[in-house]
Parts: sequence; structure tokens; C-alpha cells
Amino acid sequence: AQSVSQHNHHVILSEAASLELGCNYSYGGTVNLFWYVQYPGQHLQLLLKYFSGDPLVKGIKGFEAEFIKSKFSFNLRKPSVQWSDTAEYFCAVNALGAAGNKLTFGGGTRVLVKP
Amino acid sequence: KAGVTQTPRYLIKTRGQQVTLSCSPISGHRSVSWYQQTPGQGLQFLFEYFSETQRNKGNFPGRFSGRQFSNSRSEMNVSTLELGDSALYLCASSLLGAGADTQYFGPGTRLTVL
Repeated sequence: AQSVSQHNHHVILSEAASLELGCNYSYGGTVNLFWYVQYPGQHLQLLLKYFSGDPLVKGIKGFEAEFIKSKFSFNLRKPSVQWSDTAEYFCAVNALGAAGNKLTFGGGTRVLVKP
Repeated sequence: KAGVTQTPRYLIKTRGQQVTLSCSPISGHRSVSWYQQTPGQGLQFLFEYFSETQRNKGNFPGRFSGRQFSNSRSEMNVSTLELGDSALYLCASSLLGAGADTQYFGPGTRLTVL
């Protein structure tokens, strides 16, 4: 069965610091990769996704992620965080392709940005 | 467009009871998926419905079931509730339910089982 692991459970950093969140998945076939964010009191929302093409994908709010197929990784980055980036971040994989939707999520990383 | 809506937002039930949760997808979306979110197990896939058919299923017992109506609205039912069923239940909809589709999540229904 496929699995997704996120390296850090909690990250604390100051405003303007750079952020990198690790995500590794275990599945040998074609996958679609996602990063979702859950701001305090809000719904899960999509930050960015990868399904084909350029392995460096850009998302909303200045986030980007790089898909490295050989490492089964999809790490999320932001060069300079703001206090408003305080949230929980989830990496997710869908390995079903056209067969449907079944997201396997990582355990999440809680990010606290100190002003 | 209105987002995914879920009703009710909060529920309190006792062990042994059953519960039905409702989800209205974004207009035009045909795929509806359900997820359970708990502090211990994180986000886990329950099932996906597409065109009124259950297309994919996660590793949950048969007490968890669902259905989808012709207007794509979906319900999930949990029978014989257990304490461990306390969780936030999230519904997500997507246009076609293909792997690269973005799933849009609702606010969830928080179920507490006493």
C-alpha cells in the first residue's frame, strides 16, 4: 500500500526565514502529488499540485515544490515566510490516475511563524 | 461558485447510535470523496463516489457506508457508533474525479461519540 511521510511534525521559525517541508512517498508507479494547507479555523485548501511536466511547480502565496522522481520526494519551499503562513501543511498522493480520487495524506506539519 | 457544504457542522451522539452526514459538492462536480481526520490517525480516505457509484473504498469497516444522488450530493452513514469514530469528517468534490483533479474540501462535520 502506498504511504506518505512528512519529516517534521512541528516547525517554528521567524518571519522572513526560509521554509522547507519534506515529503516522501512510497509508490513505484505514476503519481499525482499535492500540497494542501489548513489555516487555523479554515478548510483544507490546495497550495499546489504536480501531475506532469516541469518538476518545479509554483503555487499560491509564493510557495513552490520540487518533484524528484528518483528520490520519491515532493518537498515544499517558501523563500521568506510571513506570520500568516502559520498553518498545518499536508502532502498528499493520488496513485489512481484516471481510476479516481483517493488521496493518501502524510501526517501533516504544523508550522508556527513568530512575528 | 459556492464551495463544498457539509451539514451538520457538529454532532454529538452516543455509542451504538447511527449518524448520517451530508455533503453538497461544488456545482458541476461529479466526484465526491469522504475523509476522516483524527489527531492520532491523521487524514484517512473513506470512499469516493462518482455518478452515483462507489468507485473507490478505503480500509474502514462496513459500518461506514455512503451514497450519492443524481444531483451529486452525497451522504455518509455510520452505524453502531463507537467512541473511536469521534472525528472530523471531511467531504471533497472534484470535477471528474481523475487523478490530477483538484479536490475541494468542505469545512467538515465534527462528530463526537459519547
